[in-house]
Amino acid sequence: KNEVEQSPQNLTAQEGEFITINCSYSVGISALHWLQQHPGGGIVSLFMLSSGKKKHGRLIATINIQEKHSSLHITASHPRDSAVYICAVLPNNNDMRFGAGTRLTVKP
Amino acid sequence: KAGVTQTPRYLIKTRGQQVTLSCSPISGHRSVSWYQQTPGQGLQFLFEYFSETQRNKGNFPGRFSGRQFSNSRSEMNVSTLELGDSALYLCASSQSASGGHYNEQFFGPGTRLTVL
Repeated sequence: KNEVEQSPQNLTAQEGEFITINCSYSVGISALHWLQQHPGGGIVSLFMLSSGKKKHGRLIATINIQEKHSSLHITASHPRDSAVYICAVLPNNNDMRFGAGTRLTVKP
Repeated sequence: KAGVTQTPRYLIKTRGQQVTLSCSPISGHRSVSWYQQTPGQGLQFLFEYFSETQRNKGNFPGRFSGRQFSNSRSEMNVSTLELGDSALYLCASSQSASGGHYNEQFFGPGTRLTVL
């Protein structure tokens, strides 16, 4: 079993829909990243969380440390949000572990 | 500040050769981590360097090695290339305190290595 599980693997949405991507992990961590990877490979760090909730524009990320679970929400989705979203956890030794990613396609 | 840069961006090698990839971190960042991304295995951690010392290492064979220079630039080397080493190699830099602290990581664009 992978230490970091994401769901769903693939997600197709219509423009404007509310989107949720989930991440569950089994190791103790000091922080969790949500990353966005567009075609071509470049990775951008969207959020780093160690507790609670963070919001940036239409993106919201939450984490529940006790339940070892995090969610990434996108409100009013747009085709430019189409990308692979990757959950990555930071165990205390700073050795980042990655989920398999969620491929999001937002159709106009 | 300039972002993380990686060179070369694309590389084609044949089996048995060796390759060296370079990563220049954001100015002031002392930690550089390397990752391999393949369609089958996804993203995997290779190693992390901090102040010229390897601080953490992932589960890769000894053919994969790296080093960091005094200016924080880092190189990784893969010897005796195998077909399965074809991947996107990403580096990320961070302002890293000592172990146990979390750090936001800034990724470079990656080097796409193809082994024929």
